[in-house]
Amino acid sequence: ETGVTQSPTHLIKTRGQQVTLRCSSQSGHNTVSWYQQALGQGPQFIFQYYREEENGRGNFPPRFSGLQFPNYSSELNVNALELDDSALYLCASSLSYNSPLHFGNGTRLTVT
Amino acid sequence: AQSVTQLDSQVPVFEEAPVELRCNYSSSVSVYLFWYVQYPNQGLQLLLKYLSGSTLVKGINGFEAEFNKSQTSFHLRKPSVHISDTAEYFCAVSDTGGFKTIFGAGTRLFVKA
Repeated sequence: ETGVTQSPTHLIKTRGQQVTLRCSSQSGHNTVSWYQQALGQGPQFIFQYYREEENGRGNFPPRFSGLQFPNYSSELNVNALELDDSALYLCASSLSYNSPLHFGNGTRLTVT
Repeated sequence: AQSVTQLDSQVPVFEEAPVELRCNYSSSVSVYLFWYVQYPNQGLQLLLKYLSGSTLVKGINGFEAEFNKSQTSFHLRKPSVHISDTAEYFCAVSDTGGFKTIFGAGTRLFVKA
């Protein structure tokens, strides 16, 4: 059984640029949630995709957007990067929208 | 809306000693409760979950937690810790009909030899 995989593992971008992070969900899971984890803090919910539709969103601005594909993999896009966007971005898949989360190892984004 | 409070930011403990990591939550609806562990430079791994039924939940690596609805708590316990248990532990809550899992700020467990 393949777990959740995220790419890339590390990324350095400049303020104002755009970034795309990718996530492959665990086999059999139709739901993907994205979280932002700043240094020393707990994960903060960005949004969730359930069967290719956005199913809910946290307190993040519209420059954070996403997609889910027919194979249930997902992308997180962030436009107009700001320094405060520097964080570990975690993808988690689940069997359904209210099932326990299975996390990938994250993408460490540094904005300079 | 739900929220989670982890009462201790750091817990130092000696190897083979017992440990309790405290978690309180607030919610106006029925909830699911979780504990996750995060090792350095990794994602979060599910330790245990409370969905319904018995209030005492057993998880992996010898951890257990007890759901106390009247005190809105879900404390994590282990009777004897190992050096390898050194990690960050997160308590989390979601409402049974919802989509969002809310995490606490984390408790750093540091096991000393």
